[in-house]
Amino acid sequence: GAVVSQHPSWVICKSGTSVKIECRSLDFQATTMFWYRQFPKQSLMLMATSNEGSKATYEQGVEKDKFLINHASLTLSTLTVTSAHPEDSSFYICSARGGQGSYGYTFGSGTRLTVV
Amino acid sequence: AQSVTQLGSHVSVSEGALVLLRCNYSSSVPPYLFWYVQYPNQGLQLLLKYTSAATLVKGINGFEAEFKKSETSFHLTKPSAHMSDAAEYFCAVSEEGNNRLAFGKGNQVVVIP
Repeated sequence: GAVVSQHPSWVICKSGTSVKIECRSLDFQATTMFWYRQFPKQSLMLMATSNEGSKATYEQGVEKDKFLINHASLTLSTLTVTSAHPEDSSFYICSARGGQGSYGYTFGSGTRLTVV
Repeated sequence: AQSVTQLGSHVSVSEGALVLLRCNYSSSVPPYLFWYVQYPNQGLQLLLKYTSAATLVKGINGFEAEFKKSETSFHLTKPSAHMSDAAEYFCAVSEEGNNRLAFGKGNQVVVIP
């Protein structure tokens, strides 16, 4: 079945530094990938949609300059949290969707970011 | 825009009893519907999905859901709860031509021995 690998699983960083999270589709080509943020005991909040080779589409209220998304290939999307602050601490999850006719969304295992 | 409603954030069920999680959707076109399960500090695992084929959908771990257009519902059931079913469950909807998944608020299922 479709597998999405997300790394790292957890990361602790100092305020002001940047952190990169990778999301890879291992056995299929993902034309579209999604990045979500999840607060404790809450649902997933869509941050942005990235399409291979084009700029990401950000949801309202999500800072483009803080959350940089790159989808340079059909199997890799990255989310970089720039100049991280404690309020950016959260659980970040990516998901990928395949090509035409695929109704599936496969999720990564998530990244727990703690900014100290 | 499509949306889903899940009522009752916490659901307690006795081991061996029926699990019933309710999901109602709103969509302007025929929807695609999904149920996901999430264990602590993990991503989402697909339980089952409805994509306009059979209205009764069977998924993994003994779960199933029935699509009822007249009621705009896609409730999730399992005849007999196991301790391992304790987790967070999310209903989600998407539409043809729209890549986005809209999630419900989730149900935290607690299984009582």
